[in-house]
Amino acid sequence: GENVEQHPSTLSVQEGDSAVIKCTYSDSASNYFPWYKQELGKGPQLIIDIRSNVGEKKDQRIAVTLNKTAKHFSLHITETQPEDSAVYFCAAYSGSARQLTFGSGTQLTVLP
Amino acid sequence: DGGITQSPKYLFRKEGQNVTLSCEQNLNHDAMYWYRQDPGQGLRLIYYSQIVNDFQKGDIAEGYSVSREKKESFPLTVTSAQKNPTAFYLCATESRLSTDTQYFGPGTRLTVL
Repeated sequence: GENVEQHPSTLSVQEGDSAVIKCTYSDSASNYFPWYKQELGKGPQLIIDIRSNVGEKKDQRIAVTLNKTAKHFSLHITETQPEDSAVYFCAAYSGSARQLTFGSGTQLTVLP
Repeated sequence: DGGITQSPKYLFRKEGQNVTLSCEQNLNHDAMYWYRQDPGQGLRLIYYSQIVNDFQKGDIAEGYSVSREKKESFPLTVTSAQKNPTAFYLCATESRLSTDTQYFGPGTRLTVL
């Protein structure tokens, strides 16, 4: 089955700096890669996603890049703000299994 | 969330008791999922259902049971056979029109006393 590894597990940045979170996946058949933000005690919220036919996608301060050959994808947050502090999860969707496999999460802390 | 409701928000259970967690959606989504989240870990799939009256085991189904009698509802029962049930439980839905994007409910925190 699919295996998703996420790094780092914790990340602290100064307000205004950029943050990068990286994930690797194992199943070459995976074709959809969402990113979720989870605030304490709440359910994850989809913040951006990318499909395998695209190399990069951007939405305001958030961007995701995908390297299919290397089987890794990354989340980039620019001009970080304190409200960006949360746990971020990557995931990979295998069409054959019809399941999302999640990474273990990154606790992002933006220091004022 | 926003169309997916989970109740209760907090649930306490004594050892040996079965409890049922509710998940309701008004998004008209076909597929529904149950995940378990433990501290410092990702989400692990318990059960999923792609259509009414059909469901499949996920990676950690032992000690859990589900039903899907209505499109809108996918309750999860945590049985006494689940050895370590204290966790945060998340329900998600997926539309057949976008057959990979999942949306999550607010979660239920279950604590075994």
